[in-house]
Amino acid sequence: DQQVKQNSPSLSVQEGRISILNCDYTNSMFDYFLWYKKYPAEGPTFLISISSIKDKNEDGRFTVFLNKSAKHLSLHIVPSQPGDSAVYFCAARSPSNFGNEKLTFGTGTRLTIIP
Amino acid sequence: KAGVTQTPRYLIKTRGQQVTLSCSPISGHRSVSWYQQTPGQGLQFLFEYFSETQRNKGNFPGRFSGRQFSNSRSEMNVSTLELGDSALYLCASRGVVETNEKLFFGSGTQLSVL
Repeated sequence: DQQVKQNSPSLSVQEGRISILNCDYTNSMFDYFLWYKKYPAEGPTFLISISSIKDKNEDGRFTVFLNKSAKHLSLHIVPSQPGDSAVYFCAARSPSNFGNEKLTFGTGTRLTIIP
Repeated sequence: KAGVTQTPRYLIKTRGQQVTLSCSPISGHRSVSWYQQTPGQGLQFLFEYFSETQRNKGNFPGRFSGRQFSNSRSEMNVSTLELGDSALYLCASRGVVETNEKLFFGSGTQLSVL
């Protein structure tokens, strides 16, 4: 059962335009969400995160939006640059009182920025 | 600070064999997690170790096991390899104060089972 879903396996965007990556989840107990970026032959690197008590978090060109009622989050990249071409994973945290919180990842979206 | 180091980078094995992968976390990090990445499945959580104890486990068969040493280095073992075990295996570490799940990943070990 895929609790975190990224329904678009790939996305192509013109350089300078906005890239919007989407993620849906089913578990209402998730309390923290993250986006990771992965280049080929490298491990994922942390990009941006958001707590479930917020609906928006911004960091430079990257903004994450959370809609709890729809169980949906999105990552906006403005403006898109060629270096943003990568696979993006969203992840959600299951809370725990014991410090052993687990991250559940989506299947990833391959973003290609067209020069 | 050196990042998370995984060895080897590539491995080719045949069905039925076993394999051991190694992970050295960032200095000072005591938590090490392992993930399997396959096309179309994203990153699947295998297990997490903290202070030499497994404290979380994903839904993988018992052929997948791990351990952590006193210096926080971790190994993952897969016995009786199957073709479906071909994947990128990623190790991630985080510090005690990194409670916001900011995992730092290694570059992974690409395992091919023939």
